Amino acid sequence: DTAVSQTPKYLVTQMGNDKSIKCEQNLGHDTMYWYKQDSKKFLKIMFSYNNKELIINETVPNRFSPKSPDKAHLNLHINSLELGDSAVYFCASSLRQGEKPQHFGDGTRLSIL
Amino acid sequence: KQEVTQIPAALSVPEGENLVLNCSFTDSAIYNLQWFRQDPGKGLTSLLLIQSSQREQTSGRLNASLDKSSGRSTLYIAASQPGDSATYLCAASTGGGNKLTFGTGTQLKVEL
Repeated sequence: DTAVSQTPKYLVTQMGNDKSIKCEQNLGHDTMYWYKQDSKKFLKIMFSYNNKELIINETVPNRFSPKSPDKAHLNLHINSLELGDSAVYFCASSLRQGEKPQHFGDGTRLSIL
Repeated sequence: KQEVTQIPAALSVPEGENLVLNCSFTDSAIYNLQWFRQDPGKGLTSLLLIQSSQREQTSGRLNASLDKSSGRSTLYIAASQPGDSATYLCAASTGGGNKLTFGTGTQLKVEL
């Protein structure tokens, strides 16, 4: 199936740990994004990459480091996890830098104990 | 800084009713306006995208309009069905279309 897929779907971990979330799209899109949806369901962009190049970084703490090995993948690594990092993280992709609709993955629910 | 507001926050209607969801944005210099639906535990599904030069877009029972000058968009759903129950989000894009600023959503419930 063509889609944006994220792994893992659920992530439960202790405060202070380091974790990664992976995202892959097989839609042939050239732009990928990471969003954070908080407990009040508010969705906010974190990062955007176009052809492996960072184009949006929305004042996210530098504990969050995105990595795009190729234009089909955008991974998110988080160091020293904090309670406030608990949220649902969504990966998305689009064609031609936003001219076309963004396609979203099903999200990764991160819970910090 | 773009701010997007959606009214109402929640809406419950009987099946078959036509309804309108509202979205307003503070910065009219948008690239496009997008409507999404989100089902519980799922990601967002794109419904309609209106380019800044367009006034409306239609897909099936859905019609979205855009009035840039007043900073408003509406999503019209005709003949609502229980399967339409979801949270509907609008998003205004800037930065060449890359940066989406989302509203807080309207949670719709269509009852039998």
